[in-house]
Amino acid sequence: DTAVSQTPKYLVTQMGNDKSIKCEQNLGHDTMYWYKQDSKKFLKIMFSYNNKELIINETVPNRFSPKSPDKAHLNLHINSLELGDSAVYFCASSQPGRGRSPLHFGNGTRLTVT
Amino acid sequence: QKEVEQNSGPLSVPEGAIASLNCTYSDRGSQSFFWYRQYSGKSPELIMSIYSNGDKEDGRFTAQLNKASQYVSLLIRDSQPSDSATYLCAVKDNAGNMLTFGGGTRLMVKP
Repeated sequence: DTAVSQTPKYLVTQMGNDKSIKCEQNLGHDTMYWYKQDSKKFLKIMFSYNNKELIINETVPNRFSPKSPDKAHLNLHINSLELGDSAVYFCASSQPGRGRSPLHFGNGTRLTVT
Repeated sequence: QKEVEQNSGPLSVPEGAIASLNCTYSDRGSQSFFWYRQYSGKSPELIMSIYSNGDKEDGRFTAQLNKASQYVSLLIRDSQPSDSATYLCAVKDNAGNMLTFGGGTRLMVKP
């Protein structure tokens, strides 16, 4: 199936731990994103990569580090997890340059920090 | 800072009625506008896109865009209980790289 897939779907961990979320898309898109959706459902962009190059880096703590080994993958590593990091993290992809290209979302990773 | 504003709701309508969802945006240069639907516990899914002033219809959905007023809306005709979800307005910047979302409007369609 053509899609954006991210793993794991659920992640429960303790404060201070380090964790990673993986994302892969087989849509042939050049741009991938990480969005964070908090408990109030507000969806906020964190990072955007275009063809493995970082192009958007919103105000996100340095504990969050994205890595794009190739244009089909964008992983998110989080160091020293805090309670406030609990949220749903969505990976997405689109084709830039054509402004009309919408985002295609993965199914989300629900992170719970205890 | 570019902003997209929506009334959080909930907007409650009876089954069969027209639901009207509104969105305003701050970046006057924005060119692409999208409506996403998000069911509880699921990812956002695209339901409508609009790029030119006026109306765009797709089945029971009509998107309306007024760039002069920086306003975009979504009408859902013959609302069904299955339409109950959060509707997210999203606006793409001029460069076409970043999609900014509103906070979403929760729609409840009562049988």
